[in-house]
Amino acid sequence: GESVGLHLPTLSVQEGDNSIINCAYSNSASDYFIWYKQESGKGPQFIIDIRSNMDKRQGQRVTVLLNKTVKHLSLQIAATQPGDSAVYFCAENIDDYKLSFGAGTTVTVRA
Amino acid sequence: DAGVIQSPRHEVTEMGQEVTLRCKPISGHNSLFWYRQTMMRGLELLIYFNNNVPIDDSGMPEDRFSAKMPNASFSTLKIQPSEPRDSAVYFCASSSLAGLFNEQFFGPGTRLTVL
Repeated sequence: GESVGLHLPTLSVQEGDNSIINCAYSNSASDYFIWYKQESGKGPQFIIDIRSNMDKRQGQRVTVLLNKTVKHLSLQIAATQPGDSAVYFCAENIDDYKLSFGAGTTVTVRA
Repeated sequence: DAGVIQSPRHEVTEMGQEVTLRCKPISGHNSLFWYRQTMMRGLELLIYFNNNVPIDDSGMPEDRFSAKMPNASFSTLKIQPSEPRDSAVYFCASSSLAGLFNEQFFGPGTRLTVL
């Protein structure tokens, strides 16, 4: 039968290649965005954040790009490793303290 | 730093029983959040505390759910009576300021199964 529930986007990437995970956000007034990584059986773990006055921010092997015109956020992972296999969530602040999380993208790294 | 601590990690109970989930936030953090994660609905915010005071409980599903934060280092989420549809992973998260522009640190979660 048909599965019920969130249909998470999936990304399969070869080890060593770069990964790009995309996220569309809904609130044009959001001014803070976060990417989280969730490995199986664990809680979401902070990867990188960006404020709306920026369009790019780099971390260690990760880069977040923000396009406010089209309300789009992306996470780039350089030289993807097996340990990068996880579900990746984008989140936007929808008021002073609340974060609204996307459905998540499942990334699988092929050896 | 031990991070956010949650207990128990797994809980299996029967419908109608009371369930209490526990959380110890990161020391010094003054904001605490309870989330529920399911395949159907993803990650949902249930309630938010700031300086031990509940600020927003609009995400609490119904009166069967209650949360307390008696002090800065401890919070509970109680379900009474529990129902099978409450089965989910419940996360506690904490952050250091009122929430604006601050990452939330998540605990490992409690996987609740209500039979």
